[in-house]
Parts: sequence; C-alpha cells; structure tokens
Amino acid sequence: EVQLLESGGGLVQPGGSLRLSCTAPGFTFSSYAMSWVRQAPGKGLEWVSAISGAGGTTYYADSVRGRFTISRDNSKNTLFLQMNNLRAEDSAVYYCARRPNTLGYFFDYWGQGTLVTVSS
Amino acid sequence: DIQMTQSPSSLSASVGDRVTITCRASQGISNYLAWYQQRPGKPPNLLIYAASTLQSGVPSRFSGSGSGTDFTLTITSLQPEDVATYFCQNFNSAPFTFGPGTKVEIK
Repeated sequence: EVQLLESGGGLVQPGGSLRLSCTAPGFTFSSYAMSWVRQAPGKGLEWVSAISGAGGTTYYADSVRGRFTISRDNSKNTLFLQMNNLRAEDSAVYYCARRPNTLGYFFDYWGQGTLVTVSS
Repeated sequence: DIQMTQSPSSLSASVGDRVTITCRASQGISNYLAWYQQRPGKPPNLLIYAASTLQSGVPSRFSGSGSGTDFTLTITSLQPEDVATYFCQNFNSAPFTFGPGTKVEIK
C-alpha cells in the first residue's frame, strides 16, 4: 500500500528555518518524481516544488525559489524540503505528493500533511 | 506563468442533480489538466488526469472534458459524499498551478 508520511512541521519565527520530511513506504520510491504542495488555512492549493526520481532535476515556484530546497534520499525512501528565511505567508499545511509514472506533474497519492506556522 | 481560473467559486445542488464546474487556463495547455476532490480536513484526491481520463477507483459519475484553455468537470448525479472542494491543475509546464477551487454543497 502506498503511504506518504510527512513530519517536521511546527511553529517557527519569521526568518527561521525548518526541514520537512516525507517517508514513503509501499512503493519503489526512486522510480517516482515527487512534489511538495501547500495549503494555507482556508485557502486553495499552491504547488511549491518538485524533484525527479533520481533527484537530478528540480523545480520551484517563484514564491519559494532561493529560500526552499527540495531533495531526496532514495536509500531511505525519504523526500525533504529545507525551508529557510521563512515568512508569515509560508504558513500552511505542507503535503508531499507522488507523480505517477506518466507524462506531467499531477499527483496520484498525497500524504496527510504537516502544519507549518510562521509567527513571532 | 499559466494562470488557472474556475467557475463558479461555489454551488449548491440537490442530490441527483447534474453538476458542472469550469476551469480555464490563461494559455493553451493541450490536455495537461487534472481534477482533484478535497473533502474537509483531508488531502486532495485525484479524480481525472489528461483532461478526461478517470483515475482508477473513481466513480463513473465523474467525467472531464476539454482541451486547450477550457475544461469541464461534470458530476452526472450528485451524491452526499461529493460534498467537497474541487480543484483543477495545470501540469503542462512549471509552475504546476492549481485553480482557486469550487466548493460543492448539497441543497
């Protein structure tokens, strides 16, 4: 069974850093591109970042480029999102999501999400 | 960047009604369009990809159509469990933008 289990969220002050993790048991992790998608409370979905299966290709939304870094450790079936210089507008539930083995970044499995709150 | 819009932003319909949600892209995206359902307090759930391909396990009352800039999600007979917010998503090119969502309620 495919599972995506996020962790690492919490309360952080503006300008601070946080590292999110997403462990992925139940499928051949290295064969799948992955993404982070966030959702501010009561708001819509915002795609944040994506990474290819081998980790060699990454994409970022303009709102996080230069502050966030996506990476993965395929030996540990884990996806990461390093978030630096956090702002209040980064407060959201962060979901990791799997791209199926087909053309284009849409997402067939999602985790339950981890909440990030940026506040002083 | 490609912008996605949806209409209406919310709707209320009776059980058994036919419901149609529209999504528009700011430029042509061929059929690189996905639809998701998000029930309250839950992560999104993939319904349709490539504009009209039904994801495995999704009830056949859901269908999608369109190409280029204009797309439609149709629920042929609304059920109580369909109460949710529905999002479209461009996956033609990064950034892989989502529409703002359409909230569906039962009248």
